[in-house]
Amino acid sequence: NAGVTQTPKFQVLKTGQSMTLQCAQDMNHEYMSWYRQDPGMGLRLIHYSVGAGITDQGEVPNGYNVSRSTTEDFPLRLLSAAPSQTSVYFCASSYRAGGGYTFGSGTRLTVV
Amino acid sequence: AQTVTQSQPEMSVQEAETVTLSCTYDTSESDYYLFWYKQPPSRQMILVIRQEAYKQQNATENRFSVNFQKAAKSFSLKISDSQLGDAAMYFCAYRSDGAGNNRKLIWGLGTSLAVNP
Repeated sequence: NAGVTQTPKFQVLKTGQSMTLQCAQDMNHEYMSWYRQDPGMGLRLIHYSVGAGITDQGEVPNGYNVSRSTTEDFPLRLLSAAPSQTSVYFCASSYRAGGGYTFGSGTRLTVV
Repeated sequence: AQTVTQSQPEMSVQEAETVTLSCTYDTSESDYYLFWYKQPPSRQMILVIRQEAYKQQNATENRFSVNFQKAAKSFSLKISDSQLGDAAMYFCAYRSDGAGNNRKLIWGLGTSLAVNP
């Protein structure tokens, strides 16, 4: 049981480049979300999905796109990377009810 | 809007001793869930304990227990017999029992716990 698999673990981008952070879960969780973690600011929700084909914006969605074509996968796309997007990114999933979230191992992204 | 406050940015405890981390939250809802997550230096977020608001009984998980005071909107975490591996950042989080965006987690800013040998 792999849980939530997030790739890559580390990435360095140049300003203006685009990339996709991958997230996959094998627990048949309906709810998936992307957070970014910055020092002193805690975790902030970027986008979330309550099921395949359904996505919505969180607190800080600008500069990011998501899609949910399957229950298992929830990729996060950076359209044109900016230094302000330097952060640690987490994918998390849970059941529809108030279960605890299972997190991926995180991606440390640096935009130079 | 709901908020979560962790008033202790840093704490320390001696190995084998007990420590309590504080968390308060603000909500007008009656049904919700509360969580404590641990983030060690590996940065992996690990669920420590979960509490349903409708349950009066405090949740326990081995050496970890909570003191849930619904009326006071307080949700503290007690770690007994502290071990070196307990050193980590601890986050308190709130989740509504509602639909859609309300299912997102509201996070505190964390408490950094050091365990001294």
